[in-house]
Amino acid sequence: ETGVTQSPTHLIKTRGQQVTLRCSSQSGHNTVSWYQQALGQGPQFIFQYYREEENGRGNFPPRFSGLQFPNYSSELNVNALELDDSALYLCASSFGTGGGLGGDYEQYFGPGTRLTVT
Amino acid sequence: GDSVTQMEGPVTLSEEAFLTINCTYTATGYPSLFWYVQYPGEGLQLLLKATKADDKGSNKGFEATYRKETTSFHLEKGSVQVSDSAVYFCALSLNAGKSTFGDGTTLTVKP
Repeated sequence: ETGVTQSPTHLIKTRGQQVTLRCSSQSGHNTVSWYQQALGQGPQFIFQYYREEENGRGNFPPRFSGLQFPNYSSELNVNALELDDSALYLCASSFGTGGGLGGDYEQYFGPGTRLTVT
Repeated sequence: GDSVTQMEGPVTLSEEAFLTINCTYTATGYPSLFWYVQYPGEGLQLLLKATKADDKGSNKGFEATYRKETTSFHLEKGSVQVSDSAVYFCALSLNAGKSTFGDGTTLTVKP
């Protein structure tokens, strides 16, 4: 069974640029959630994708967008990068049923992508 | 909104000491509760979970009990080891895969 993988591991971008981060979900999972973890803080929920559709979004501006593909892998895109976007971006996969109430779904996290914006 | 508050760290203990990391939560519904551990340079690993009141989650000697009356989910271990040194996150989830995390507590265990 392959775990959650993310690429790249590290990335350095300049303010104003755009970035794409990638995540491969664990085999058998159909849901991917993205989190931003600033240094010294807990992860903050960005959004979730279930079966290729956005299924909930946290308090992040529209320049944060995503995609999920038929194989359930996912991308996180960030446009017009700002210095405060520097963080560890975590992807988590799980098996869900479309966002109904119930939090018993275990999430499996990838190792993250460290983004530095200069 | 939903929130999780963890005791502030860092926490430094000697090997074989007793560990408690406090966690309280505020939620609009009836959440599931989780503890995650993050080792340096790695992602989060689920340590334990509880899905209803009075449930006790346990794993690798760590335990936490879901206390609805006090909205708490404190993490405990009777005898810590150097290898337990990591950052510990308490989290709640009301909706599949959409979790709210605390800010983490850094634990350092000295030999």
